[in-house]
Amino acid sequence: SQELEQSPQSLIVQEGKNLTINCTSSKTLYGLYWYKQKYGEGLIFLMMLQKGGEEKSHEKITAKLDEKKQQSSLHITASQPSHAGIYLCGADPPSGNTGKLIFGQGTTLQVKP
Amino acid sequence: DAGVIQSPRHEVTEMGQEVTLRCKLISGHNSLFWYRQTMMRGLELLIYFNNNVPIDDSGMPEDRFSAKMPNASFSTLKIQPSEPRDSAVYFCASSFRGRGYTFGSGTRLTVV
Repeated sequence: SQELEQSPQSLIVQEGKNLTINCTSSKTLYGLYWYKQKYGEGLIFLMMLQKGGEEKSHEKITAKLDEKKQQSSLHITASQPSHAGIYLCGADPPSGNTGKLIFGQGTTLQVKP
Repeated sequence: DAGVIQSPRHEVTEMGQEVTLRCKLISGHNSLFWYRQTMMRGLELLIYFNNNVPIDDSGMPEDRFSAKMPNASFSTLKIQPSEPRDSAVYFCASSFRGRGYTFGSGTRLTVV
């Protein structure tokens, strides 16, 4: 079965610093989703990537999917306390769009003011 | 649109009691997913429905868990009898044809 591994598991950065979170799949990704979660709350959709080499940005967050479609990265520029939370990557299984997402374990981000 | 609505937000119950979690889908969405999140296991898919039909319930822990979609906009997840190890945050999410997943705010269940 497909597995998603995120790294690092947790991250503490000073406000204003850049950071990168990685998501690696054991199999080719057919759709990669990034979500953000604050403790005790639901998941907020950030971005979805489908094509190899695709890159999307929203405000200070950029997500990329590599050409082989097995690794994605989430980059935050000039981090702010509002970026703190748990970042999860999710993916469609190898069989394609079945509507069932598999998630990584999450990366907990703390931003120190 | 109010988004995916879950109730209750928090539930504390005694071991052995029946627990029912509720979820209202976004209007027009035709897929419904129930997830469970714990520190140890992360986010796990329990069951999902397409057009009110259960498609994959392989993630349901055991027979104590059951899920229904009595209509296109509403679902319930029932645990009977509940056990302390069922304590977790339960999320439901909906999508349209497997795209645009939207999650509810979750139900934090504590079984004592």
